[in-house]
Formats: sequence, structure tokens, C-alpha cells
Amino acid sequence: EDQVTQSPEALRLQEGESSSLNCSYTVSGLRGLFWYRQDPGKGPEFLFTLYSAGEEKEKERLKATLTKKESFLHITAPKPEDSATYLCAVSFEDDYKLSFGAGTTVTVRA
Amino acid sequence: DAGVIQSPRHEVTEMGQEVTLRCKPISGHNSLFWYRQTMMRGLELLIYFNNNVPIDDSGMPEDRFSAKMPNASFSTLKIQPSEPRDSAVYFCASSLPGLAGGPRSEQYFGPGTRLTVT
Repeated sequence: EDQVTQSPEALRLQEGESSSLNCSYTVSGLRGLFWYRQDPGKGPEFLFTLYSAGEEKEKERLKATLTKKESFLHITAPKPEDSATYLCAVSFEDDYKLSFGAGTTVTVRA
Repeated sequence: DAGVIQSPRHEVTEMGQEVTLRCKPISGHNSLFWYRQTMMRGLELLIYFNNNVPIDDSGMPEDRFSAKMPNASFSTLKIQPSEPRDSAVYFCASSLPGLAGGPRSEQYFGPGTRLTVT
């Protein structure tokens, strides 16, 4: 069964319109939750690692939070350059083994 | 600093041909990963090397796939013979040493090789 579920599949935003992406997971014994950004034709780019519930990380307009069952990636006042697919991944038994979600494709219109 | 380097960036081949994908990890990274990305299955881990030694190849689809890492700065993924269902984007990723010599959690991906098998 799916261990990582991301929603929505696609998100269309107007520039400046803040929103959140969701990543829910079903694994027990979470070792870490990871957010990546992927632009078309490129490899995933590492954004954040979260290890424990309540933890938060920020980078520019992005803020990632973690609870016991899900993570949110908040995009504040997005710009067109924030358009990308955002991937969530979890590791449980082994730190190196990442299980990826299907991603949320974000399109920000000027 | 140069990131993970992969070659070729695009490969088109006919069914039955041998395909070799190449990867140069980031200098100083001791762990290397090969992934495959398709629309249907997303990103899947194929094989993981630590200090040039294959640790986990449970994701390798079948015997037609093989991977090697002869030294710390080079790895290959070979498909022989190739089939149309192997068409995908193949990524190489690397990570720094972590605790007890294993990998750090953060993996850094290359640009990928888009493979098309006709």
C-alpha cells in the first residue's frame, strides 16, 4: 500500500496567493521526512529534513512543518519562480531508503 | 562546486540493445544511489552503494539490470538487453557520510538520463 500520499496533485495559484501542500504518511517508526523541489527536466533538489513532530524549517517563502501523521509545506506569497513539483519522502527502517510521494505540481501565475 | 554529473542526458535505443548510464557523485560523498522515475510509479530506489560497496539492490527490477562502482568517483548502471518498459528517467544521487559511516539523510540528485527504448 502507499506509504506516502501527497495532496493536491496540482495547485494553481495567483502570485501572492499563499497556500499549503500536504504530505501524509502511514509508516510507523518515522526516521525522517524530506521535501524536495523538482523542476521540469531536472533532478529533485533537496529543501528540508524534518525529524520530529512539532519541528519546523523555513527557507525563503517556504515553511515545512511536521506532525505525527503528516507534513505541510506552506508557500507564502508565492512568485512564478516557485512553480515546480514538490516531492515528499519518508525514511523509516533505514535512513537511506526514501519512499517518495507522487508529488504536487504547483503553478504560480503572475 | 559541481553537483552530481550524469551522462548521457538522453539515450534512445532499440529493444535488445545494451545501455550504460554513467554517474559521477559529488566529491567527498561516500554514498551513491540509483533511482528510476516514471509517471506510473514515481521515484523508485534501484540500488544503494556505501563506500563503493553495493549495500541494497532489492529495487533492481531483474537480472537485466546491473550496477557497478569501481571507485569513489564513478558508477555505472547497465541494462542488457533493454526493453521498452525500461523507458524512464534514471537519476543518480549521492550523500555525505553520516553517523557510523552510513549515509547522511539528505541526498543530492543529478540531472538524470532520459532513456527511451523503442
